[in-house]
Amino acid sequence: KQEVTQIPAALSVPEGENLVLNCSFTDSAIYNLQWFRQDPGKGLTSLLLIQSSQREQTSGRLNASLDKSSGRSTLYIAASQPGDSATYLCAVRAQGAQKLVFGQGTRLTINP
Amino acid sequence: GAVVSQHPSRVICKSGTSVKIECRSLDFQATTMFWYRQFPKQSLMLMATSNEGSKATYEQGVEKDKFLINHASLTLSTLTVTSAHPEDSSFYICSARSSGNPTDTQYFGPGTRLTVL
Repeated sequence: KQEVTQIPAALSVPEGENLVLNCSFTDSAIYNLQWFRQDPGKGLTSLLLIQSSQREQTSGRLNASLDKSSGRSTLYIAASQPGDSATYLCAVRAQGAQKLVFGQGTRLTINP
Repeated sequence: GAVVSQHPSRVICKSGTSVKIECRSLDFQATTMFWYRQFPKQSLMLMATSNEGSKATYEQGVEKDKFLINHASLTLSTLTVTSAHPEDSSFYICSARSSGNPTDTQYFGPGTRLTVL
């Protein structure tokens, strides 16, 4: 059974810092991995999707990496801004599966 | 990116009544839709997966007779909470995926806050 873990559960950093969020998964037979952002009381916004054959994806200040063999993904946020404050969720889709398995999320606070 | 809408965004109802939540994919055909519920400060819990024209596949522990899911078209899925009770109060989020989407991204709706009195 696939399990997804995100560390840390919460993170607070000053504005302008670069930061890394971590996601690990137990079964490396994945189809893809997706990073989402969730603001309080809102739905999820897809940030980046990495296919199993890819190593990384970039969008603006965000860079997500994938290391299937070690069961890890990282989300790198450059030059953080207060507007980046949200909960970040990582989700894995297994080979042959329909559903996503979510981590518990990292609640990020960027302090002005 | 693709847009998924949910209606209503917030609903308050009395115990014992039924509530229907709609989920629509606005600019793509959703061959597969998912329904999640989320408790405060927790991650999403998948309730069921539905493919257009087929019966939904429910996750273990989710009562299919209580949470009725219909995916009658490629742009609409509905979740009906039957005989709602206070413990059904939660944040319900739908998600949609298109098989024709080359990136296979799963898009989420804005959620529906259900409060059962």
